[in-house]
Amino acid sequence: ELKVEQNPLFLSMQEGKNYTIYCNYSTTSDRLYWYRQDPGKSLESLFVLLSNGAVKQEGRLMASLDTKARLSTLHITAAVHDLSATYFCAVDGGTSYGKLTFGQGTILTVHP
Amino acid sequence: NAGVTQTPKFRILKIGQSMTLQCTQDMNHNYMYWYRQDPGMGLKLIYYSVGAGITDKGEVPNGYNVSRSTTEDFPLRLELAAPSQTSVYFCASSKGRTGELFFGEGSRLTVL
Repeated sequence: ELKVEQNPLFLSMQEGKNYTIYCNYSTTSDRLYWYRQDPGKSLESLFVLLSNGAVKQEGRLMASLDTKARLSTLHITAAVHDLSATYFCAVDGGTSYGKLTFGQGTILTVHP
Repeated sequence: NAGVTQTPKFRILKIGQSMTLQCTQDMNHNYMYWYRQDPGMGLKLIYYSVGAGITDKGEVPNGYNVSRSTTEDFPLRLELAAPSQTSVYFCASSKGRTGELFFGEGSRLTVL
């Protein structure tokens, strides 16, 4: 059974600081996704990582995938308040696209 | 462009009642999914479909049924509602090529 674990689960940051969220998974996969969820809202796709060594960047967020280590990271650079949200990683471990196993989510709060 | 549309957004059910959550997408995606999200948790896959007439169980299918008579629609049926089905339900679709999911706004269900 595929397990996906994120850490930390709660992250309180000051504006301007850098930090990394980690996503570990238990079985072989080369398809990993990051989503953002604002309170009471739906999930918004941030990054799609489809191969070992994949790196994607959008604004202050950068995601990477190491399939050999079964690890993805979401790096936050110079955090701003607007980044406050819950971030989920999700791994596709099956043969059908979209059968994702989600991590528990990391609740990020950015303080002034 | 509406994307994935879910109805209703909110519903309160009594124990033992039944209801159908509606989901429709206008992106001509073959793959569709139902996930549930319990408070403070990631999403768990209930059922999925890879095309009209084809459905299969996900991780937590008990107490639910689905059908897929058209590419656009993927309703989720709850029979004999139980308090354990209190959750937020998300419908999603994907093209299948990358597996990236596009989510609806969610349906918040409470069973009392």
